[in-house]
Amino acid sequence: QQQVKQSPQSLIVQKGGISIINCAYENTAFDYFPWYQQFPGKGPALLIAIRPDVSEKKEGRFTISFNKSAKQFSLHIMDSQPGDSATYFCAASMKTSYDKVIFGPGTSLSVIP
Amino acid sequence: NAGVTQTPKFRVLKTGQSMTLLCAQDMNHEYMYWYRQDPGMGLRLIHYSVGEGTTAKGEVPDGYNVSRLKKQNFLLGLESAAPSQTSVYFCASSLPRGKSTYEQYFGPGTRLTVT
Repeated sequence: QQQVKQSPQSLIVQKGGISIINCAYENTAFDYFPWYQQFPGKGPALLIAIRPDVSEKKEGRFTISFNKSAKQFSLHIMDSQPGDSATYFCAASMKTSYDKVIFGPGTSLSVIP
Repeated sequence: NAGVTQTPKFRVLKTGQSMTLLCAQDMNHEYMYWYRQDPGMGLRLIHYSVGEGTTAKGEVPDGYNVSRLKKQNFLLGLESAAPSQTSVYFCASSLPRGKSTYEQYFGPGTRLTVT
């Protein structure tokens, strides 16, 4: 049973467009929601994260939108660039379980010129 | 700082063979994790450790054992490899969330094929 659901599985966006990846969770005990970015042949790296007491967090071209009542959150990449082509994982964590992170299945993003 | 390093980078095993994957971190992190990554499955937690000498099972622990004799090292063992263990294995480390903004730092991965 997948605790964190993620869609779409793959995404193709033209350069300059907006990339949107959606995630949903069930466990209301989750209290921290990071997004990780992974380039081919590399380990994942933290991109941006949000706590459920805010509805939006923006860092440069990357924005997380969080809807606590719907138990959904999404990543928006504005002005997408070919260098953004990577796999993106949403995730959820709860402090009470030794900070274990539950990852979504991932979205493969390709930004084409 | 090297961050998180993993040894080896690639390995091919025959069914039934054993091996140990080594993870080392130089950031003085208390927590360490082993994940496996399979297509369409994301990263699944195998085992984790919250301190030297302490380990616990994650989501998919069967067929694996771990040890953390030193704070900076976390070993993952496969006693009798099976084709189902063909995967990319990632090690990660972190500080407890209360001490930081909370980020898991990942190693570069080990690609294991069991034939």
